Amino acid sequence: KNEVEQSPQNLTAQEGEFITINCSYSVGISALHWLQQHPGGGIVSLFMLSSGKKKHGRLIATINIQEKHSSLHITASHPRDSAVYICAVRLGGGADGLTFGKGTHLIIQP
Amino acid sequence: EAGVAQSPRYKIIEKRQSVAFWCNPISGHATLYWYQQILGQGPKLLIQFQNNGVVDDSQLPKDRFSAERLKGVDSTLKIQPAKLEDSAVYLCASSLQPSTDTQYFGPGTRLTVL
Repeated sequence: KNEVEQSPQNLTAQEGEFITINCSYSVGISALHWLQQHPGGGIVSLFMLSSGKKKHGRLIATINIQEKHSSLHITASHPRDSAVYICAVRLGGGADGLTFGKGTHLIIQP
Repeated sequence: EAGVAQSPRYKIIEKRQSVAFWCNPISGHATLYWYQQILGQGPKLLIQFQNNGVVDDSQLPKDRFSAERLKGVDSTLKIQPAKLEDSAVYLCASSLQPSTDTQYFGPGTRLTVL
C-alpha cells in the first residue's frame, strides 16, 4: 500500500480552468511538499506545508492534518502549467527523506 | 545562486558494468539526498547525508549500491554491478538543514542499463 496517494493520475483541462489535485497520506508526517516536474526537466519545489494554506501567484496549497489530506489548486490555468505535480511527505520520527506519490500528469490545452 | 549540479546527464551501460554519478549541492547545504525515479513512478529515497555522515540508507540496495560524501560537500553514487532494473533517473537534492527546509533538486542523471 502506498503511503502517499494522489488523484487524479492524469488530468486534461482547458486553458483558464480551475485545477485541483489531491493528495492523501496514511502516516504521521512532519511536512508535506508539492513539487513540479516538467518532461525531461528537474524537479522544482512549489510549497512546503505543515499546516494551513500557502499561496504563490496562481498556485494555492492547503493541508488538513487531521484528515491527512492536501490539495494543490491552480487558478486561471495556462498551457505552461502542463507538468507532473508530485506530492511528497516527510515522515515524522526524525526521517528527513521524502516519500513521494506517483504524481499527477496535468495537460492544459489552449 | 547556483543550483544543484549533477553529472553525467545521461549514461548508457550494459548489465553487470559499473557506473558512478556525481552531485555537487548548493553551497552551504549540509543535507544531501540521492533519489531513484523509475519511469512512471515517484522518486524513492536511496540515501541521506548530513555533512559527511549517513543519516538514512535504509532503502539503499547495499549489495550493489554505494554512496559517499567524504568532505561533506559533493557526493558520488555508484552501482556495481548494474542490473536492468536499475534503469532510472537518479536525482540529487540538497537542503540547508534537514526537517524544516525546502529540498532543491538537480536535473538528474538518466541511466539506461541494456
